[in-house]
Amino acid sequence: DVKVTQSSRYLVKRTGEKVFLECVQDMDHENMFWYRQDPGLGLRLIYFSYDVKMKEKGDIPEGYSVSREKKERFSLILESASTNQTSMYLCASSFGFRDSSYEQYFGPGTRLTVT
Amino acid sequence: SQQGEEDPQALSIQEGENATMNCSYKTSINNLQWYRQNSGRGLVHLILIRSNEREKHSGRLRVTLDTSKKSSSLLITASRAADTASYFCATDATLSGSRLTFGEGTQLTVNP
Repeated sequence: DVKVTQSSRYLVKRTGEKVFLECVQDMDHENMFWYRQDPGLGLRLIYFSYDVKMKEKGDIPEGYSVSREKKERFSLILESASTNQTSMYLCASSFGFRDSSYEQYFGPGTRLTVT
Repeated sequence: SQQGEEDPQALSIQEGENATMNCSYKTSINNLQWYRQNSGRGLVHLILIRSNEREKHSGRLRVTLDTSKKSSSLLITASRAADTASYFCATDATLSGSRLTFGEGTQLTVNP
């Protein structure tokens, strides 16, 4: 079974802190994704990566950065956390080439609260 | 703009009944996927239908795709209380590669 794990289920941080969310997949997937999920807004893509050290901005990249140094690990970084970044963060991975999408496998999510 | 939009936003049915959820989208797609999310958890992939397919089945799930109307439907037959979850459609617009755009979801409640 494909497994996607996220470093924390729940996280509470203070405004201005630098926050790292880690995601690891064990299926040698090329693609990895970070989404945030908010009530009434669905899932929105923050960043994705289609290869090691490669990344592309999603729909809402402002205030976030990412790192993919190894194929299995994709990190989301909140440079200076703000209260409007309180959300559920979901990581996903998939096989894929850049011309089409494939089934995405999701982690359990990290519920981040910024106070 | 919203690529995938589900309808209805919420649906409540009795166990044993069928549940139908609809998804509309705006641009040409390579494929359309349906996902399920139990409360507070990650999403689980249910089914993928390619743009050249019209219908696909998986167990109690039946998905249809009408590219001329830019719409899809997910039918769950003989529903069970365990089917209670949110259901999302996701599309990849042509030339967008691996990116998916998700709708806001339909909350399905199956009452025992």
